[in-house]
Amino acid sequence: QKEVEQNSGPLSVPEGAIASLNCTYSDRVSQSFFWYRQYSGKSPELIMSIYSNGDKEDGRFTAQLNKASQYVSLLIRDSQPSDSATYLCAVNGGATNKLIFGTGTLLAVQP
Amino acid sequence: DAGVIQSPRHEVTEMGQEVTLRCKPISGHNSLFWYRQTMMRGLELLIYFNNNVPIDDSGMPEDRFSAKMPNASFSTLKIQPSEPRDSAVYFCASSVGTGTEAFFGQGTRLTVV
Repeated sequence: QKEVEQNSGPLSVPEGAIASLNCTYSDRVSQSFFWYRQYSGKSPELIMSIYSNGDKEDGRFTAQLNKASQYVSLLIRDSQPSDSATYLCAVNGGATNKLIFGTGTLLAVQP
Repeated sequence: DAGVIQSPRHEVTEMGQEVTLRCKPISGHNSLFWYRQTMMRGLELLIYFNNNVPIDDSGMPEDRFSAKMPNASFSTLKIQPSEPRDSAVYFCASSVGTGTEAFFGQGTRLTVV
């Protein structure tokens, strides 16, 4: 079992729709959770961090965390073509500071 | 503020040659991560340091790979000898403390021919 799992996609949504990206992790003691966006040929860019159960909203982005289910998700409202990228889920074990990434989900927003 | 700085941005080398990749973390950050990214395997953690000390190098693929962090503002990843399968994009990232947000450099695209 991979430590951090994501559906590779591609996930295709029409412009203006909500994009829902999901991630599961295997280490129950994980403390910190992150979403990164990576455009083709560029480096990963941090867009959201979440540390406690529940929802965290930042503009059009909402991160959701459920530690009991070992599940973290990212919602993108009013999706724009510029949101088309690979979204990487990352999990940090806390005390070990080991930051592990999923393989990413490719999102395509259709104009 | 300057972000994480990596050099070189691109490196083309012949099989068997030594390759050294360099990273300068964000000032004040005391955790540093080296990753390798390929289409097949995604973003793999190679090694990470806390306060200049290597904590976990279990992701280093072989003895041909080594990493050092002689001080808080500089780290190197060395491959000796290099092989074509080492071709990938190598990223360095840094963060403050443990469990916090990490920020990436622009990466080094390595091609071994």
